[in-house]
Amino acid sequence: GAGVSQSPSNKVTEKGKDVELRCDPISGHTALYWYRQSLGQGLEFLIYFQGNSAPDKSGLPSDRFSAERTGGSVSTLTIQRTQQEDSAVYLCASSLEFASGGANTQYFGPGTRLTVL
Amino acid sequence: GDSVTQMEGPVTLSEEAFLTINCTYTATGYPSLFWYVQYPGEGLQLLLKATKADDKGSNKGFEATYRKETTSFHLEKGSVQVSDSAVYFCALSVNDMRFGAGTRLTVKP
Repeated sequence: GAGVSQSPSNKVTEKGKDVELRCDPISGHTALYWYRQSLGQGLEFLIYFQGNSAPDKSGLPSDRFSAERTGGSVSTLTIQRTQQEDSAVYLCASSLEFASGGANTQYFGPGTRLTVL
Repeated sequence: GDSVTQMEGPVTLSEEAFLTINCTYTATGYPSLFWYVQYPGEGLQLLLKATKADDKGSNKGFEATYRKETTSFHLEKGSVQVSDSAVYFCALSVNDMRFGAGTRLTVKP
């Protein structure tokens, strides 16, 4: 079946502009996760959704970042007034459900490479 | 807070060499442990996982054992191939997922 898809695959924007990144999880997966992969800094957890709710938003790096999920499926990550330090690959993952201990395997999308000029 | 520390790379090996990539963790709860792999130009894929102490995860000739006493989850493979060249990430999950910085492995023929 189809895996996690993300769009766009690449986004180049100017500093100060807003961007929206989209994630389409695997059908039937109720949990959805956003990560950021910066050059030389590994993977950084941003936020997760169980259904449409995000219990913990503390991983978002600043108040310019927000995420929503509607209908328990597609999620969008929005970055307002982008800065050069926002340049990274943004990864989305989904799992059947959010299980304490993380026993549910996360399946990753190909990522969106964001470049802020 | 919960965190993962893994061996810094890059690691360069000859084909058929033995591989170990060290990973240690700090967690307040009882984490599940994972190794993910990212092949060149591709997304992250789960390589193996272990959900409780003394569990051994294995896949594609790779193995890792969840050692609670040493808080470790070292990745091993007895004989690497050129096709194993990739970046390997150790990760833990209690409530969310925390990844190590990644170790780039290059296997030369």
